[in-house]
Amino acid sequence: GAGVSQSPSNKVTEKGKDVELRCDPISGHTALYWYRQRLGQGLEFLIYFQGNSAPDKSGLPSDRFSAERTGESVSTLTIQRTQQEDSAVYLCASTRLSYNEQFFGPGTRLTVL
Amino acid sequence: AQSVAQPEDQVNVAEGNPLTVKCTYSVSGNPYLFWYVQYPNRGLQFLLKYITGDNLVKGSYGFEAEFNKSQTSFHLKKPSALVSDSALYFCAVRDGDNFNKFYFGSGTKLNVKP
Repeated sequence: GAGVSQSPSNKVTEKGKDVELRCDPISGHTALYWYRQRLGQGLEFLIYFQGNSAPDKSGLPSDRFSAERTGESVSTLTIQRTQQEDSAVYLCASTRLSYNEQFFGPGTRLTVL
Repeated sequence: AQSVAQPEDQVNVAEGNPLTVKCTYSVSGNPYLFWYVQYPNRGLQFLLKYITGDNLVKGSYGFEAEFNKSQTSFHLKKPSALVSDSALYFCAVRDGDNFNKFYFGSGTKLNVKP
């Protein structure tokens, strides 16, 4: 079946602009994660959605970052007033249960000039 | 603080030789531990996990990992490396206080030479 998809695959933007990244999880996966991966570093947890529960936003680095998900469908990660330090690969993952393995999308490479 | 460490940025091994990729962790409570692999231009893929039970866990592609509670380690191993195993490997641990959160190591690049 189809895996996790993300769009766009690459995004180049100017400092100060807003960007929106999209994630389509695997159908039936109630849990969805967003991570940030800076060059040469591990994955940094950003936010977690589980069904219709309130999201766990404890990993969001600043109030410029926000994310939405309606039910168990598509999620969008929005970064407002982008800064150069936001340049990274943003990864989305979905799973049925939080202790199960996560299925990752290919990521969106964001470059802020 | 909860964390996971992969002390080696890169591991080089000859094809046919055994390989080990190291991972140590710090977490409160019982650890849930995972290994993922990232092949070039592809997303992360799950290899194996430890939640409870036998300390030796077997996973995909002939990989296994040994959970050692006293050393807080979860090293990835394979008895005989293949050139096709060359990839980036990530260890991950679930936060012991916030079960929604996972910590990933910085990754270890495995190079298997023919």
